[in-house]
Amino acid sequence: QKEVEQDPGPLSVPEGAIVSLNCTYSNSAFQYFMWYRQYSRKGPELLMYTYSSGNKEDGRFTAQVDKSSKYISLFIRDSQPSDSATYLCAMSAKEVRTSYGKLTFGQGTILTVHP
Amino acid sequence: NAGVTQTPKFQVLKTGQSMTLQCAQDMNHEYMSWYRQDPGMGLRLIHYSVGAGITDQGEVPNGYNVSRSTTEDFPLRLLSAAPSQTSVYFCASTRNYEQYFGPGTRLTVT
Repeated sequence: QKEVEQDPGPLSVPEGAIVSLNCTYSNSAFQYFMWYRQYSRKGPELLMYTYSSGNKEDGRFTAQVDKSSKYISLFIRDSQPSDSATYLCAMSAKEVRTSYGKLTFGQGTILTVHP
Repeated sequence: NAGVTQTPKFQVLKTGQSMTLQCAQDMNHEYMSWYRQDPGMGLRLIHYSVGAGITDQGEVPNGYNVSRSTTEDFPLRLLSAAPSQTSVYFCASTRNYEQYFGPGTRLTVT
C-alpha cells in the first residue's frame, strides 16, 4: 500500500464548477501538507501549504486537513479553464527545510475545466 | 534570476549508455533534490543534497549517482541506462517550505 493515495482521475468539469481533490495517507507522522499544480510538460509549482489540521484559504483555493481521518482536500471555487492541470498532494513529517526537501507525493489528479 | 534550470530537455539513450542530467539553481538554496515522475506513480525521490559535499539516497536511488561540488549545481548520473529508467526527471531546490522545480528532462531508454 502506498503511503499517500490520490485518485488519478481524470476529472472533467464545466467552467464555474466547484472542484474537490482529495488524498488519503497512512503515515500518522505527516504534519506538513502541500498541494502542487503541474501544467502539461512543466515542473510542479507550489499552490498551497498547510501545517497540521485545519483549513487554509487563498483566493479561489481552499486546503483542508483532517489528521484524525488522515485525509486532505483541495477545493477550487469558480473553476476556470486555466485551472486545467495535474494536481499533486505532497506531505512531510518534518518541516521541509529540515526534512531536506524529502516529500512524499500522491499520484496526481488530472483536471480539465471545459468552457 | 533563472530559478532552477535543467539540461537537456529531451534525451534518447540506448541500453547500457551513460549520461549526466544537469541541474543548476541561482537562488543560493542549500537543499536540492532529484525526482522521477512516471505515469500513475507521482514523483519519487531519487537522491537529495543538504549542501555542497553532502548527498544521500531517496526512495529509488539504484542506477543513479549524484555529487554536489558547489551550491549551484547538482548533476544526476545514469551509469548504465536501462529501459526502466525511461521517465521524466525533475530537479528541485528548497527554501523554507517551498520546493522550486525545474522544467524537467524527458529521458527515453531504448
